[in-house]
Amino acid sequence: GAGVSQSPSNKVTEKGKDVELRCDPISGHTALYWYRQSLGQGLEFLIYFQGNSAPDKSGLPSDRFSAERTGGSVSTLTIQRTQQEDSAVYLCASSLSLAGLDTQYFGPGTRLTVL
Amino acid sequence: SQQGEEDPQALSIQEGENATMNCSYKTSINNLQWYRQNSGRGLVHLILIRSNEREKHSGRLRVTLDTSKKSSSLLITASRAADTASYFCATLQRGSNYKLTFGKGTLLTVNP
Repeated sequence: GAGVSQSPSNKVTEKGKDVELRCDPISGHTALYWYRQSLGQGLEFLIYFQGNSAPDKSGLPSDRFSAERTGGSVSTLTIQRTQQEDSAVYLCASSLSLAGLDTQYFGPGTRLTVL
Repeated sequence: SQQGEEDPQALSIQEGENATMNCSYKTSINNLQWYRQNSGRGLVHLILIRSNEREKHSGRLRVTLDTSKKSSSLLITASRAADTASYFCATLQRGSNYKLTFGKGTLLTVNP
């Protein structure tokens, strides 16, 4: 079946502009995660959605970052007033259920470049 | 500091040789997972080892876990050029059921 998809695959924007990144999880997966990976670094947890529960936003680096998940499926990560330090690959993952005991399946990522 | 720290940061070997990567962590964990990443894009899950397990195998992969030393190793046997990638360990800390903490990874290069 189809895996996790993300769009766009690449995004170049100017400092100060807003960007929206989209994630389509695997159908039926109730858990969705956003991570950020800066150059040469590991993944940094941003936010976690599980069903209709309130999301865990503890990893969002500033109030310029927000995310929503509509209808328990598609998720959008929005970065307002982008800064150069926001440049990174943004990865989305989904898993079948709540538990981290389940495998997280990752999308190909969106490479964001802020000029 | 990172919960998971891989070592070495980079490893270059010849095809057919074995590759060993290590991961150390600081706090108690529920499980530890290894992922592979090609060309800085999506990650692929390789193997998960639970805190009460000591060793797991999957094909050419062998993972060990030593909770007393808070360390894990990933062994890839009979490496192939296609194994060239970055390898990350990720820990699920005890008390959490979803938040994985990733290390910075080991860049493995397998030369034909």
